[in-house]
Amino acid sequence: DTEVTQTPKHLVMGMTNKKSLKCEQHMGHRAMYWYKQKAKKPPELMFVYSYEKLSINESVPSRFSPECPNSSLLNLHLHALQPEDSALYLCASSQGSIAKNIQYFGAGTRLSVL
Amino acid sequence: KQEVTQIPAALSVPEGENLVLNCSFTDSAIYNLQWFRQDPGKGLTSLLLIQSSQREQTSGRLNASLDKSSGRSTLYIAASQPGDSATYLCAVRQAGGTSYGKLTFGQGTILTVHP
Repeated sequence: DTEVTQTPKHLVMGMTNKKSLKCEQHMGHRAMYWYKQKAKKPPELMFVYSYEKLSINESVPSRFSPECPNSSLLNLHLHALQPEDSALYLCASSQGSIAKNIQYFGAGTRLSVL
Repeated sequence: KQEVTQIPAALSVPEGENLVLNCSFTDSAIYNLQWFRQDPGKGLTSLLLIQSSQREQTSGRLNASLDKSSGRSTLYIAASQPGDSATYLCAVRQAGGTSYGKLTFGQGTILTVHP
């Protein structure tokens, strides 16, 4: 099983809303990632968690708040987003060392901010 | 700063052709290079991973090569099929420095295989 599950698949929110994106994997992977992908652009790394600790934050605005409650779950809390934050948000995971292993991606959450 | 470039940006071929997608990167200090496929509006599917010490990897009709010293990789697709139509992305995993472990993507090649 090489599945990374993201929920919801689609999300529409206003600029004053608070919402969360969820990501789950049961492959025993200890590194998990959030990426943002705008239309016709490649994914851009936002955050990396390694052994449930935040190891990389790519200078992401504080309106995006990641959380890793356990080794299988990764959340992205959203608050006071802007319309330009509309994008496909992808979660990924990899086994063991974050450097050497294949990253497996979920299908993504398509977010629209009105 | 690592930069990854993919050529061509788009490619349209008839079914059955063999084709080559190119990827180049500016910083050779990488752990590995990974090729992905992305269908419209979907997530990424990993196709092949080449470690920095390897020269090539094969999976079915796909063959990827890596020349780390020259900063180049190619993805060869044999006997292309309409189901191969997708965007193909290459990504390099940075080694060391403040970008340790970071995956940097190219802009992708949009492949269309027509019957």
